[in-house]
Amino acid sequence: EADIYQTPRYLVIGTGKKITLECSQTMGHDKMYWYQQDPGMELHLIHYSYGVNSTEKGDLSSESTVSRIRTEHFPLTLESARPSHTSQYLCASSVLWSRLASDTQYFGPGTRLTVL
Amino acid sequence: GESVGLHLPTLSVQEGDNSIINCAYSNSASDYFIWYKQESGKGPQFIIDIRSNMDKRQGQRVTVLLNKTVKHLSLQIAATQPGDSAVYFCAERGDKIIFGKGTRLHILP
Repeated sequence: EADIYQTPRYLVIGTGKKITLECSQTMGHDKMYWYQQDPGMELHLIHYSYGVNSTEKGDLSSESTVSRIRTEHFPLTLESARPSHTSQYLCASSVLWSRLASDTQYFGPGTRLTVL
Repeated sequence: GESVGLHLPTLSVQEGDNSIINCAYSNSASDYFIWYKQESGKGPQFIIDIRSNMDKRQGQRVTVLLNKTVKHLSLQIAATQPGDSAVYFCAERGDKIIFGKGTRLHILP
């Protein structure tokens, strides 16, 4: 069982609101990720981080931002939520990527976001 | 472009039979492959992985086969149980990690 947590699990919010999705892991992993996933569909990487003070954009264009002030914490913020942001957001972590190492990602339970 | 895909969006298998879930990848430079299982309402969970220098790897009731010649990856689940019902994703690691579209496994009683 992975020690990675996401809050809230479910969120229904109105258009234009600012929201922050929380993600924390207690495994000491350097690398963390945010994915967007529609039900049963593939995962789209929106942000990732190699460690403290490192943030990178992923493959999917996103209007969200992230921060990595502490190793264990990687929050995702939407400044102004829109109905097109309705989706599931998954946080994951792994040991620092290395060609010599496995790259298993441990996922949190996800936050299901609905923007009205 | 690079892509990782699964051949079938849905697979129905009789309980007790073996399941085979397939995945095609396009990046011949990928060196590491992973299978994940995602149950309804949960995040993906690691099942098994395999490096590109291997053809086969076995776990508990699961086996992953890698055919680099045709860039094909498969997950075999022995004696499928109701608890195996989920969406299964393959992922490849080249310059980055790419997830495939997923196959939903239905278990028939």
